[in-house]
Amino acid sequence: EIVLTQSPATLSLSPGEGATLSCRASQSVSSYLAWYQQKPGQAPRLLIYDASNRATDIPARFSGSGSGTDFTLTISSLEPEDFAVYYCQQRANWPLTFGGGTKVEIK
Amino acid sequence: EVQLVESGGGLVQPGGSLRLSCAASEFTFRNYRMDWVRQAPGKGLEWVSYITSGDDNIIHYADSVEGRFTISRDNAKNLLYLQMNSLRDEDTAVYYCAREATRGYHYFDSWGQGALVTVSS
Repeated sequence: EIVLTQSPATLSLSPGEGATLSCRASQSVSSYLAWYQQKPGQAPRLLIYDASNRATDIPARFSGSGSGTDFTLTISSLEPEDFAVYYCQQRANWPLTFGGGTKVEIK
Repeated sequence: EVQLVESGGGLVQPGGSLRLSCAASEFTFRNYRMDWVRQAPGKGLEWVSYITSGDDNIIHYADSVEGRFTISRDNAKNLLYLQMNSLRDEDTAVYYCAREATRGYHYFDSWGQGALVTVSS
């Protein structure tokens, strides 16, 4: 099973600041990695797929990069609605696995 | 707009059974691969099971549910199912029905609102 480790666990930032979230895989997943956003009481929302492709209707302030074992989700300038938990997920191997999440909270 | 609506959740004793359903609408259900993903209270996301589109019935399970859970679908009724047997305390979670994206297989571009399953005596 591929283990995805996300860091940091919590990121405390102010609106307007940039955010950098990390996801590290226990073995190479090539570019087969996605990022999701989840707000309290809601289902997750797909943000980025195949490491760097924005999903439909996702704002340009969200970008993804990386390949192999190291991946980054960057939010260029945080909007109030961006404070949430973010998960990475790999599809390179069964079972599909998620990272433990990074909470982006208001400082 | 794509709609996925789960039902069938509830309280069940350890060792019991429950069947979840997911009603799909506003898209051609038979053309899409589907999954179940769960989230224990206050915890992260855990993929549970996958079923392919069409009639070839390729299925995968997480090790944690293999042999106890069964995924199936009825393309004529636009329904996805998860039969859960021999339930354990650690199966307590919100269970989401999720549609896989067409641009990237095994990513989830649409989710239901979730069904809460509580396993407790």
